Amino acid sequence: DQQVKQNSPSLSVQEGRISILNCDYTNSMFDYFLWYKKYPAEGPTFLISISSIKDKNEDGRFTVFLNKSAKHLSLHIVPSQPGDSAVYFCAARGTSYGKLTFGQGTILTVHP
Amino acid sequence: NAGVMQNPRHLVRRRGQEARLRCSPMKGHSHVYWYRQLPEEGLKFMVYLQKENIIDESGMPKERFSAEFPKEGPSILRIQQVVRGDSAAYFCASSPPRSAMNTEAFFGQGTRLTVV
Repeated sequence: DQQVKQNSPSLSVQEGRISILNCDYTNSMFDYFLWYKKYPAEGPTFLISISSIKDKNEDGRFTVFLNKSAKHLSLHIVPSQPGDSAVYFCAARGTSYGKLTFGQGTILTVHP
Repeated sequence: NAGVMQNPRHLVRRRGQEARLRCSPMKGHSHVYWYRQLPEEGLKFMVYLQKENIIDESGMPKERFSAEFPKEGPSILRIQQVVRGDSAAYFCASSPPRSAMNTEAFFGQGTRLTVV
């Protein structure tokens, strides 16, 4: 039962262009969403988050959009840089505050 | 200010042996979480602990797995009688009181367990 899905296993983007990573969820009890970035052999690093009462949150080059009616969120990276190449996970939190449900991840490759 | 420290980074165990994974949270953090990442998958929640208390263990397998976070010392994830399917990366995260898993939670670098 995959409650958080990232349907694109990989994404390849040219440096300077926009990267758009997508995430869908099925559980309407999720009220807080986060994006993590992960390099090989390292732990996930927090990037940006959004509460369900908002539809957009921006932090520098990173913007997260939330469409509650569609149960869809996306992460926009503008402009993309080669150092952004990593695996990106979306995660959702529901009523159990200690528990995040993660998607499978999307491998982003930014070409110089 | 050191981050979340996990050790060992790599652990090899033969089938049937015990594996002990340790996690020292960030200074001032009293909440610890354990997640497991199987190959080609996302992270899966296992357990959420506060000092001397298990808050949510809904993700823990019913047998062979246990976790503790004593008053003194690191949190320990213990796997008894390991099997090949236990091979995975195990990540620990910690957060300050009243913050749970939100922007103030930080992950360690993980322990990669290989069962041979």
